[in-house]
Amino acid sequence: DIQLTQSPSFLSASVGDRVTITCRASQGISSYLAWYQQKPGKAPKLLIYAASTLQSGVPSRFSGSGSGTEFTLTISSLQPEDFATYYCQQLNSYPPLYTFGQGTKLEIK
Amino acid sequence: QLQLQESGPGLVKPSETLSLTCTVSGGSISSSSYYWGWIRQPPGKGLEWIGSIYYSGSTYYNPSLKSRVTISVDTSKNQFSLKLSSVTAADTAVYYCARHGIAAAIDYWGQGTLVTVSS
Repeated sequence: DIQLTQSPSFLSASVGDRVTITCRASQGISSYLAWYQQKPGKAPKLLIYAASTLQSGVPSRFSGSGSGTEFTLTISSLQPEDFATYYCQQLNSYPPLYTFGQGTKLEIK
Repeated sequence: QLQLQESGPGLVKPSETLSLTCTVSGGSISSSSYYWGWIRQPPGKGLEWIGSIYYSGSTYYNPSLKSRVTISVDTSKNQFSLKLSSVTAADTAVYYCARHGIAAAIDYWGQGTLVTVSS
């Protein structure tokens, strides 16, 4: 099974900061990776798919990059509404086994 | 606008079967482009994909749950359902229904429903 490891697990930052979250896959998954944002008590929200494609309606301060085994989610200038937990998800395996990373909690410094 | 809504008991006894239904509105569950899936999240923990179904009935399950999971679809009602048998406290979680493409990200989620396993 493909495992996803996110780093860091916790991140403390300030409004206006640039932050990067990394997701590493245990084997190559091409660009079959998505990023989600989840706020307390809410369902996750799709931010990025195909590793680097911004979902419609998502602010351009969010960006994704990477392929193969290493991926990053970058928020260029943190806004108050960005403090949440972020998950990566791989979509490459067959039969489908849509593994999630363990999550990165982004907190206000 | 597509909407998904989970329904079912919020409390299930240990060893019994958890049953949830997801009703899809604003779109057809019979779309050839999409799968319909279940994801769960234990309190304070991360996300776990349970399985998905195509409108034709083809299913894919997480191997770690496969022996206990059945996902079915009722296209006439625009619904799909989850059954998880022999539940334990470890199955206590918020259960989400969702839509995704083939090898594609989950673009629509239900609001989630908390299911507690307790006697």
